[in-house]
Amino acid sequence: AQSVTQLGSHVSVSEGALVLLRCNYSSSVPPYLFWYVQYPNQGLQLLLKYTTGATLVKGINGFEAEFKKSETSFHLTKPSAHMSDAAEYFCAVSDQLFGAQKLVFGQGTRLTINP
Amino acid sequence: DGGITQSPKYLFRKEGQNVTLSCEQNLNHDAMYWYRQDPGQGLRLIYYSQIVNDFQKGDIAEGYSVSREKKESFPLTVTSAQKNPTAFYLCASSLRGDTQYFGPGTRLTVL
Repeated sequence: AQSVTQLGSHVSVSEGALVLLRCNYSSSVPPYLFWYVQYPNQGLQLLLKYTTGATLVKGINGFEAEFKKSETSFHLTKPSAHMSDAAEYFCAVSDQLFGAQKLVFGQGTRLTINP
Repeated sequence: DGGITQSPKYLFRKEGQNVTLSCEQNLNHDAMYWYRQDPGQGLRLIYYSQIVNDFQKGDIAEGYSVSREKKESFPLTVTSAQKNPTAFYLCASSLRGDTQYFGPGTRLTVL
């Protein structure tokens, strides 16, 4: 069975500082990995995804993530935090790309940006 | 303007009542999904459907039912058998094997 662990339910950084949100996964097959962002009382928006190929994936709003198979990790980073990045972030894993895509989500990390 | 709509945004239910949450998409997506979100627990899959007139249980289907009579619509009924229904419910859709797009959600509160 697949699972996702997000280290740290709350992360706080200063505006302009590096953002690092950690995600480790467990999968018996090559995984497909996703990061979503959720603003208060809204749905989820895809930030980026890894399927195959280049292990460093760039997404929207300046975020990127690197797939490290040996560490079973897919950490999300942004070089310089902006106040608008304050939101909840979810890492998710899927074992298939064809047919219905059954996503398994981590518990989420709430990111706070200090002025 | 293409997208996913969910209604209502807020829903209040008395104990013992069934309620139906609406999800409509005009993206021509084949697959649709229902998730439940509780604080600190992420999202959990309730039901999903790959094509019209077909759907499968997710991880927490007990106390819920769905139908898929039209490609555009995937309503979720929260039945009285669901013991703890207060949560935020999210609908999503995707082309087969592609990225899931989420609706804005419905917050259900049991009084």
